[in-house]
Amino acid sequence: EAQVTQNPRYLITVTGKKLTVTCSQNMNHEYMSWYRQDPGLGLRQIYYSMNVEVTDKGDVPEGYKVSRKEKRNFPLILESPSPNQTSLYFCASSRKAAYGANVLTFGAGSRLTVL
Amino acid sequence: QKEVEQDPGPLSVPEGAIVSLNCTYSNSAFQYFMWYRQYSRKGPELLMYTYSSGNKEDGRFTAQVDKSSKYISLFIRDSQPSDSATYLCAMTVGDFNKFYFGSGTKLNVKP
Repeated sequence: EAQVTQNPRYLITVTGKKLTVTCSQNMNHEYMSWYRQDPGLGLRQIYYSMNVEVTDKGDVPEGYKVSRKEKRNFPLILESPSPNQTSLYFCASSRKAAYGANVLTFGAGSRLTVL
Repeated sequence: QKEVEQDPGPLSVPEGAIVSLNCTYSNSAFQYFMWYRQYSRKGPELLMYTYSSGNKEDGRFTAQVDKSSKYISLFIRDSQPSDSATYLCAMTVGDFNKFYFGSGTKLNVKP
């Protein structure tokens, strides 16, 4: 089954304790991206990657890092989490569809709480 | 002002009703318009997308784009309790991978 897999799905941590959220896709997509979703603010892009070793900042990159060493994996790293990073995180990959549209396939989400 | 505006709802309708979900946008360069459905505790999934103006129909769902008014709509006919979810609109400029999302409208279809 074509999918984007994120882990962990749920995580409670404390301020300053480094954590990594993994993301893997099995569709051979070049483009991958991380979003956070907060009530009233919708989906905001954190980082994206056009291909292996090519990453760039999205709209809200502060406090996050990413890497893209392999095509299928795109981990999100919080070096020193803070309470304002408590959120629902989604990884997504993009494919080309009809008429040249890019469409996203999302993972199931990772709910992070930082105390 | 956000580039994409969407009424957060919640919108509550009886089963069988016709539902209209809408988004407005400010960037006239948007060319691709998408609707994603997000069930509780799940990731968004693509429902439909359209290119430029016009209508597109898929079963009980119809997507409509009015570029002159910068307004897009998703109509759901014969709504079912299983349609209860949050609906997100999204847009892109050309074939770039930069997606602009609305904040989502929560829909509740009552049996």
